[in-house]
Amino acid sequence: NAGVTQTPKFQVLKTGQSMTLQCAQDMNHEYMSWYRQDPGMGLRLIHYSVGAGITDQGEVPNGYNVSRSTTEDFPLRLLSAAPSQTSVYFCASSWGDLNTEAFFGQGTRLTVV
Amino acid sequence: AQKVTQAQTEISVVEKEDVTLDCVYETRDTTYYLFWYKQPPSGELVFLIRRNSFDEQNEISGRYSWNFQKSTSSFNFTITASQVVDSAVYFCALIKAAGNKLTFGGGTRVLVKP
Repeated sequence: NAGVTQTPKFQVLKTGQSMTLQCAQDMNHEYMSWYRQDPGMGLRLIHYSVGAGITDQGEVPNGYNVSRSTTEDFPLRLLSAAPSQTSVYFCASSWGDLNTEAFFGQGTRLTVV
Repeated sequence: AQKVTQAQTEISVVEKEDVTLDCVYETRDTTYYLFWYKQPPSGELVFLIRRNSFDEQNEISGRYSWNFQKSTSSFNFTITASQVVDSAVYFCALIKAAGNKLTFGGGTRVLVKP
């Protein structure tokens, strides 16, 4: 059981480039979400999805797009990378029941130069 | 709006000392869950515990214990007899009834020296 798989683990982008961070889960979880982790700020929610075809914005959505065409996959797109998007990105999934914890991927460390 | 505050940014202890991590939260919801996650140097997030807003019993799991006090909106975490392997960043988080979205505190880095 792989859990939540994120690719790539590391990425360096030039300002203005676009890319997609991949996230896949094999637990049939309805809820998936993307967070970014910055020093001293904990993890902040970027976008989330409560099921296939349904997405919504979190706390810091600007500069990012998401889609949820299947239950398993929840890619995060950076349309035009900026140095402010240098961060560690975590994808998470859960059943959606409050009484269950979120499972996190290993993270993607992104540097925008 | 929800908020989670971990006032301690870094704590350094010598092995076998106890260490307590503070977590204070704000929410208008009556139903919510609180979590603690551990992030070791390898970077992954490891779930430690959850507690719902209606259960104020303290909990102990091995060397870990948690003190939930609704009256002070606090959910503190104690590591007893710390070990070097406890060195990590610890996050407190809150989830409210609707939306399944976690709000994290800023994290507390614990350094346990041999």
